[in-house]
Amino acid sequence: EAGVTQSPTHLIKTRGQQATLRCSPISGHTSVYWYQQALGLGLQFLLWYDEGEERNRGNFPPRFSGRQFPNYSSELNVNALELEDSALYLCASRFHPGSYNEQFFGPGTRLTVL
Amino acid sequence: AQTVTQSQPEMSVQEAETVTLSCTYDTSENNYYLFWYKQPPSRQMILVIRQEAYKQQNATENRFSVNFQKAAKSFSLKISDSQLGDTAMYFCAFILPLTQGGSEKLVFGKGTKLTVNP
Repeated sequence: EAGVTQSPTHLIKTRGQQATLRCSPISGHTSVYWYQQALGLGLQFLLWYDEGEERNRGNFPPRFSGRQFPNYSSELNVNALELEDSALYLCASRFHPGSYNEQFFGPGTRLTVL
Repeated sequence: AQTVTQSQPEMSVQEAETVTLSCTYDTSENNYYLFWYKQPPSRQMILVIRQEAYKQQNATENRFSVNFQKAAKSFSLKISDSQLGDTAMYFCAFILPLTQGGSEKLVFGKGTKLTVNP
């Protein structure tokens, strides 16, 4: 069974540009979570999607947004990129929110903003 | 708001020895879940072990075990017979699921970088 996949592996952008990161969950998982892992700040929760809808978001500005598609894959968009957006972005999927099961993580997308 | 604290930014251990990583957390809730995740240099985050707060028995997974002290809000990870492949960042994490009125987000500590030396 394939794990959580993310693309691209690396992404280099300049300030003010937009970045799009993609995530494919494990087959059968309906929930997708996005986390930012920035140097010195640890892992911070960004967004949670389930059944195509945004269920919760962390303490991030509105220029961080995303969506979940009918096949449960997800996209994270970051508009008006700032230097401090440089980080590893991790996607995780889960089978049933609310019941006890773990979040499985993907390998991440390394975003560098120049 | 829930918080997770890992007080040891870095640790090292000799191969085959035992090491304990510390984690404390803060919550006013009674039913929640705690995890230890491992992130090797290749960066894929892997679940090491999990603990349900309503279970008094400490979780064990092969060489990995936890010491869960609910009253003290402490959740330490013990790695026995350390192996070179255990070298990684270890993150302690907390979650309050929807069924417990939570937000379903993992709250992570800042991590402990563990190096296993040959």
